[in-house]
Amino acid sequence: AQKVTQAQTEISVVEKEDVTLDCVYETRDTTYYLFWYKQPPSGELVFLIRRNSFDEQNEISGRYSWNFQKSTSSFNFTITASQVVDSAVYFCALSEATYNTDKLIFGTGTRLQVFP
Amino acid sequence: DAGVIQSPRHEVTEMGQEVTLRCKPISGHNSLFWYRQTMMRGLELLIYFNNNVPIDDSGMPEDRFSAKMPNASFSTLKIQPSEPRDSAVYFCASSEMDGTSLSYNEQFFGPGTRLTVL
Repeated sequence: AQKVTQAQTEISVVEKEDVTLDCVYETRDTTYYLFWYKQPPSGELVFLIRRNSFDEQNEISGRYSWNFQKSTSSFNFTITASQVVDSAVYFCALSEATYNTDKLIFGTGTRLQVFP
Repeated sequence: DAGVIQSPRHEVTEMGQEVTLRCKPISGHNSLFWYRQTMMRGLELLIYFNNNVPIDDSGMPEDRFSAKMPNASFSTLKIQPSEPRDSAVYFCASSEMDGTSLSYNEQFFGPGTRLTVL
């Protein structure tokens, strides 16, 4: 069965601190995709990144970076030098790359609060 | 480019009334998803369509819920009769699935409809 676990319910940091959001997944497939979405206080869900199971290279985009480790089934998200605007709920999601289906299984989310 | 469009953004209704939520996916996207978000259950997939055909409706909670996609640019989610426990934010999302197992495109979400059933 597919499952995504975000054990951190809520994290609070002070501006400029680095913060890592954890994501652990379970799947029996060898081909799958992992995602991170951001949900700011305004409520919309914003796509951040997609990673396929064949690509374990870490990715950096500005202050955001992602660490994908198949050995530990983890896809962690780090924000460097956090800012107040980073305050949001962050969701990790998993999809198995099965023909004709593209369901996403979401984790329960981690609420990040960045204080000035 | 217009994103996924949902209407209404907010809906307040009384128990027993029919509620219809609407979604216009991104042009060219061939998969459409309806999600429900609550504090207790998080984000739940209700149903999704591929090329206007319902593929998986196992997440639809009860027969009171129904969804249609009459064409590639429009979908509805209907609740009849509505109950207070249906109060939630309902999201529509779309993606461009290319039909192979080796490629997957991200889902783009609409702004959501906040439904309150009194």
